[in-house]
Amino acid sequence: RKEVEQDPGPFNVPEGATVAFNCTYSNSASQSFFWYRQDCRKEPKLLMSVYSSGNEDGRFTAQLNRASQYISLLIRDSKLSDSATYLCVVNPDSNYQLIWGAGTKLIIKP
Amino acid sequence: SAVISQKPSRDICQRGTSLTIQCQVDSQVTMMFWYRQQPGQSLTLIATANQGSEATYESGFVIDKFPISRPNLTFSTLTVSNMSPEDSSIYLCSVDRDSRETQYFGPGTRLLVL
Repeated sequence: RKEVEQDPGPFNVPEGATVAFNCTYSNSASQSFFWYRQDCRKEPKLLMSVYSSGNEDGRFTAQLNRASQYISLLIRDSKLSDSATYLCVVNPDSNYQLIWGAGTKLIIKP
Repeated sequence: SAVISQKPSRDICQRGTSLTIQCQVDSQVTMMFWYRQQPGQSLTLIATANQGSEATYESGFVIDKFPISRPNLTFSTLTVSNMSPEDSSIYLCSVDRDSRETQYFGPGTRLLVL
């Protein structure tokens, strides 16, 4: 089983719709969780951290479910510019060894 | 945030040769990281580079194949040695400026080995 698993997609979503995807992690002792965004042929950029109490930033909401060992990302009122690959990142301990998911590709269609 | 540049942005190389990738940061950072990302795959950490000490390599990566230099707090190089087609990938450097877990990436170096 991979340490961090994501549905590769692509998720094809009409503009204005709400879309959500999950990421599961295998290490129950994992400490920190993040969502990064990677545009085509670009480097990854931090989208948001995922806190135990959940985290909302504008149209984006991230949540953590420790019991089921997954994190989720919800995008409301999706825009064409939201098209990208969304990478789930987990820090299994206090070291620098971040574990990266392979990403979920999202395509927003007009 | 951090401004990070990498050179070259892309290259096509013959098998058996070596390529050195440069990473420059706009301010001093303690740790720099080198990643590899193959098409459709997740990022894989190659090594962590500290200034003044040898790089720390992850499982599956060795210094003879991926020698790293870190001469100062704003610069690092990664060399891909004795390349084979399996080394074709995107190589990314990153730094953690704001916190230990928030990483900023350079634009990447796209390498194709023939």
